[in-house]
Amino acid sequence: AQSVTQPDIHITVSEGASLELRCNYSYGATPYLFWYVQSPGQGLQLLLKYFSGDTLVQGIKGFEAEFKRSQSSFNLRKPSVHWSDAAEYFCAVGNSGGSNYKLTFGKGTLLTVNP
Amino acid sequence: ETGVTQTPRHLVMGMTNKKSLKCEQHLGHNAMYWYKQSAKKPLELMFVYNFKEQTENNSVPSRFSPECPNSSHLFLHLHTLQPEDSALYLCASSEASGSVGEQFFGPGTRLTVL
Repeated sequence: AQSVTQPDIHITVSEGASLELRCNYSYGATPYLFWYVQSPGQGLQLLLKYFSGDTLVQGIKGFEAEFKRSQSSFNLRKPSVHWSDAAEYFCAVGNSGGSNYKLTFGKGTLLTVNP
Repeated sequence: ETGVTQTPRHLVMGMTNKKSLKCEQHLGHNAMYWYKQSAKKPLELMFVYNFKEQTENNSVPSRFSPECPNSSHLFLHLHTLQPEDSALYLCASSEASGSVGEQFFGPGTRLTVL
């Protein structure tokens, strides 16, 4: 069965600093990978996704992620964090077979941004 | 309205009450999902509907009863809930449940069971 691990429950960075959120997945075949962001009181918004092709994917709000098959990782990065990036971030992996295509989510990483 | 909407946004109910959560998607999708989001736990998939047919029930207790009258609307009927059912309930939609792609989420209903 597929699984997602986000090792960091809570990360604090200063505004303007760089950010990397870690995500490791377990899946037997080629994964479909996603990063979602959830602001307080809101639903999940898709930041970016990887299906195939270039392993470095660009998303919204200046985020990018790199798929590394050898490390089973899909880490999210941003070169300079803004206070508005404070939110919870979820990595997800989608299976590619069966009648129901399912997303499996990690437990999330809460990002705090200090001024 | 655009995207996925959910009503009510907040709900407080007693253990003997009956209430319903509503979800509507304006994206022309054919698959809809209910998720439960509890503190410090991953999102839990509850139900999947594809073209109005239920295709997944992830061992959800019968006190949660979903209904999907058409591809745009999804309900979650609640009765005789327990305090541990307090959580954020998220609705999502996608093009079809068998299609690879992203899911679009609504803002959720924050449920508190007293």
